Amino acid sequence: GAGVSQSPRYKVAKRGQDVALRCDPISGHVSLFWYQQALGQGPEFLTYFQNEAQLDKSGLPSDRFFAERPEGSVSTLKIQRTQQEDSAVYLCASGQGSYEQYFGPGTRLTVT
Amino acid sequence: AQSVTQPDIHITVSEGASLELRCNYSYGATPYLFWYVQSPGQGLQLLLKYFSGDTLVQGIKGFEAEFKRSQSSFNLRKPSVHWSDAAEYFCAVGANSGYALNFGKGTSLLVTP
Repeated sequence: GAGVSQSPRYKVAKRGQDVALRCDPISGHVSLFWYQQALGQGPEFLTYFQNEAQLDKSGLPSDRFFAERPEGSVSTLKIQRTQQEDSAVYLCASGQGSYEQYFGPGTRLTVT
Repeated sequence: AQSVTQPDIHITVSEGASLELRCNYSYGATPYLFWYVQSPGQGLQLLLKYFSGDTLVQGIKGFEAEFKRSQSSFNLRKPSVHWSDAAEYFCAVGANSGYALNFGKGTSLLVTP
């Protein structure tokens, strides 16, 4: 496909479980971003990659959150020991330049 | 720190009527400004963006926005709304760091027949 894809689209986790969310960016896009969107809110920045380098992780809410992009393409956002406050839609975006961001459909995470 | 305010949480307009969604920003320098639309279960789609130059920018789907520095605003407009425009609209500003977007809380648009 031509767009950003994310999997799974929906994830239900019991509190305390670890989850991994995948993002497949548009082929050739250098930049990759993760955002968290709580219900009724706008997306909030989590982290940014340029190729395989994680240049900014200032938005990650705790050390339970970890993101990687080892080969500069697919990225995974991992959340350890999930908590109820982690319930949100996690959006991935990719782009060629700094502000050019094409968003995927998101993964809706529900922690029970 | 930069911030974005969308004063209207919900707006209802009749199909065929004009639309204006408000966005105010707080930013020290010339901002990079964006409007995105999000339909249920969909990702964010870029409607238009402003970096510099002409303060009236045209976007997709018949939308336009005007950058007004004196009012710190970047309001989104459409002359005639279609039922398919019903969605959530987000204004965003480019952050100091040069890449992350800072989003407003969004305005939910309902279009009535």
